Amino acid sequence: QVQLVQSGAEVKKPGASVKVSCKPSGYTFTDYYMHWMRQAPGEGLEWMGWINSNSGGTNYAQKFQGRVTMTRDTSISTAYMELTELRSDDTAVYYCARNPAAIRAFDCWGQGTLVTVSS
Amino acid sequence: DIVMTQTPLSSPVTLGQPASISCRSSQSLVHSDGNTYLSWLQQRPGQPPRLLIYKISNRFSGVPDRFSGSGAGTDFTLKISRVEAEDVGVYYCTQATQSYTFGQGTQLEIK
Repeated sequence: QVQLVQSGAEVKKPGASVKVSCKPSGYTFTDYYMHWMRQAPGEGLEWMGWINSNSGGTNYAQKFQGRVTMTRDTSISTAYMELTELRSDDTAVYYCARNPAAIRAFDCWGQGTLVTVSS
Repeated sequence: DIVMTQTPLSSPVTLGQPASISCRSSQSLVHSDGNTYLSWLQQRPGQPPRLLIYKISNRFSGVPDRFSGSGAGTDFTLKISRVEAEDVGVYYCTQATQSYTFGQGTQLEIK
């Protein structure tokens, strides 16, 4: 079955960067865009952007432009999200999710990666 | 950006009774391709979100038929015909017609 497995929890200091990985299984990696969302403690969901797993093209939410970079490595079928210049309000669970073009809905989610930013 | 507004934000429901969540968008969600990309997610405590409904009213694979979606344009509704204990969690509407945005979430709890 389709599954997305993310890397483990991270603790970072303000100003540092974090890179989260997402490795799908159960489907052809390059057939689907991968999206990234985050959820601050006790808060709702926030869309960060997507990467075209085939071409590597990206589209980022304006809020994160300049601080986020989404990449992929097709040789190991893995997507990455890097966020730089971390602040305390970047503390959140970060999710990757697949979004098939035919339905434009997030049909499969990773388990989430908690990123804690603290001095 | 399209703003998604859900009501209520909290919904205490008796087991076996129906529940309804409304979602309103700040502009029409009808895409130029004719589709309306409005979906509903369920997030149980401590879990990632799970897709329930896509394109207003289509139940995703494995979703019980007590869940149904309806609406058009800017007004949408998620209904649960008979609430079960496993339905406790937060429900989000999501639009993908113009970029992607989420509603604030509605907490479904058992009375």
